[in-house]
Amino acid sequence: SQTIHQWPATLVQPVGSPLSLECTVEGTSNPNLYWYRQAAGRGLQLLFYSVGIGQISSEVPQNLSASRPQDRQFILSSKKLLLSDSGFYLCASQPTGGSGYTFGSGTRLTVV
Amino acid sequence: GQQLNQSPQSMFIQEGEDVSMNCTSSSIFNTWLWYKQDPGEGPVLLIALYKAGELTSNGRLTAQFGITRKDSFLNISASIPSDVGIYFCAGQWDTDKLIFGTGTRLQVFP
Repeated sequence: SQTIHQWPATLVQPVGSPLSLECTVEGTSNPNLYWYRQAAGRGLQLLFYSVGIGQISSEVPQNLSASRPQDRQFILSSKKLLLSDSGFYLCASQPTGGSGYTFGSGTRLTVV
Repeated sequence: GQQLNQSPQSMFIQEGEDVSMNCTSSSIFNTWLWYKQDPGEGPVLLIALYKAGELTSNGRLTAQFGITRKDSFLNISASIPSDVGIYFCAGQWDTDKLIFGTGTRLQVFP
């Protein structure tokens, strides 16, 4: 079964600072990978997904970017954070040809 | 992005009560999934349904895949305090991206 590692668990960053959140996957090869953002008590907003190394699709225009430098590594970045980037960020993995996702434990980002 | 209609949006119930929530879509799916998210954690898969009309149980949880393939429901019997959290439905066609519901927030009072 898959295991998703996300870090850090909590992050407080000033406005205008850069961001890098990392997600790594164990237990599967060539997964589809996803980044979601969740506002407090709200639903899941899909930000980016990737079907392979270097392949990134963006769902919504925003201040963030994503990269997949290795098969089981997915990175969420920003050059300059905005207050509106605050939220709970979740990484998810879907095995190739599989149904359902496995989620990481999330990163709570507060931009101050 | 697209989201499924999930209701109710929130529920406040007493320990021991039964809970029912449902999810509807304008599109058909061939997989329905139910997730639970504990506060401050990522969602965890509770039940997966793969066939129209399928009724599946997992302990006190029971979920059904609607005959029309456009809806699903989740029941929780005899609720306990640890049932607190946000419940998400999700629909999938083949191996496409999951489409998530808007979530049902459940509060259980002793």
